Amino acid sequence: QVQLQESGPGLVKPSETLSLTCAVSGYSISSGYYWGWIRQPPGKGLEWIGSIYHSGSTYYNPSLKSRVTISVDTSKNQFSLKLSSVTAADTAVYYCARALGRFTMVRGFDYWGQGTLVTVSS
Amino acid sequence: QSALTQPASVSGSPGQSITISCTGTSSDVGGYNYVSWYQQHPGKAPKLMIYDVSNRPSGVSNRFSGSKSGNTASLTISGLQAEDEADYYCSSYTSSSTLRVFGTGTKVTVL
Repeated sequence: QVQLQESGPGLVKPSETLSLTCAVSGYSISSGYYWGWIRQPPGKGLEWIGSIYHSGSTYYNPSLKSRVTISVDTSKNQFSLKLSSVTAADTAVYYCARALGRFTMVRGFDYWGQGTLVTVSS
Repeated sequence: QSALTQPASVSGSPGQSITISCTGTSSDVGGYNYVSWYQQHPGKAPKLMIYDVSNRPSGVSNRFSGSKSGNTASLTISGLQAEDEADYYCSSYTSSSTLRVFGTGTKVTVL
């Protein structure tokens, strides 16, 4: 059974960089699939942030692209999110997820982490 | 790229059927068969309920079904049960630079 678990600081100061890691168990990232980050501001809807293939190829939401970096560490079987210059608008629950279908990212996400709340505040 | 449009709320009595609509454009819902639906209970992660417009993942009840007509996709829940009360989001691949767009979300209430 594939399991994903987000980790990282729950509080980040404005203008600083938000950093989260998603640890994957039950499947080796190096074997394939796209892996993504999705966020949900309190009381609001879902927003796709970006996705990465096991080889390191990345795709980002253009609205966040200038501030986002997603990377993968196959040796640790995990992938990470960095979001720079954060503001209160970046306060959200951040989810990591696996894309449905081994070689594509167009079909949605089948496995999700439990999510982690990140609050941006001084 | 704007979010896909869903009704804010839909309600029904136990045993009834309800349908949630998800309206997009020819660049997303209407152009590709890559619509997925997610169920989200309060404080929980989204759960994939339908993928590729009408396919159910293993373990999802056959009371959930999906369809599409033109630029609008639909999720139907038949035999409504108390456990179906949750938020539901549609999502689609889009040919715009955004690549993936989610719906505005629908709160389903079981009366």
